Amino acid sequence: DTGVSQDPRHKITKRGQNVTFRCDPISEHNRLYWYRQTLGQGPEFLTYFQNEAQLEKSRLLSDRFSAERPKGSFSTLEIQRTEQGDSAMYLCASSSAGTIYEQYFGPGTRLTVT
Amino acid sequence: DAKTTQPTSMDCAEGRAANLPCNHSTISGNEYVYWYRQIHSQGPQYIIHGLKNNETNEMASLIITEDRKSSTLILPHATLRDTAVYYCIVRVGAQKLVFGQGTRLTINP
Repeated sequence: DTGVSQDPRHKITKRGQNVTFRCDPISEHNRLYWYRQTLGQGPEFLTYFQNEAQLEKSRLLSDRFSAERPKGSFSTLEIQRTEQGDSAMYLCASSSAGTIYEQYFGPGTRLTVT
Repeated sequence: DAKTTQPTSMDCAEGRAANLPCNHSTISGNEYVYWYRQIHSQGPQYIIHGLKNNETNEMASLIITEDRKSSTLILPHATLRDTAVYYCIVRVGAQKLVFGQGTRLTINP
């Protein structure tokens, strides 16, 4: 068990470009969460999957954001037409039915929009 | 989810016990108290959780008052590696975590 992994760790993009981040949860974890964290703030919830079903989305997740979890394994978070306000750390976490109380976080993807 | 109130920052000497308070006066009966911490440039890390009773694990102890309106996270022998932002969160089951500002704990040599 290697923990939650995220790719890339850092992404610099120009305003208006599309970006996609990947999260690989701990194997057999059926719950997967995405959070966003800006400088000096605590993480904010974006969306949550149980297996392949997206069960909850925050109002923070505008139409430019889309998340998928095909086959209930890895997940991708895409941001279209990036804006400078999208600059943040994007964190992924996973949990299992047996350990629902603990969410295991990945190292995050730091996005900088110039 | 109930809101929590934590001090913005705290200092503690290395080797001493670090006691981090949290107020959650509007907690409901089925909400658990969780503590996570976030070391600089890393993702948050689960520490401990509890419902009513005090809890202890290899990382910390959690003391919850009888009325459940407040709790204290205790790191018994703080080390420099415990320097981090500590978040107190209340939630039910597998719901999303709602993070506040947390307490920035600095362990001094």
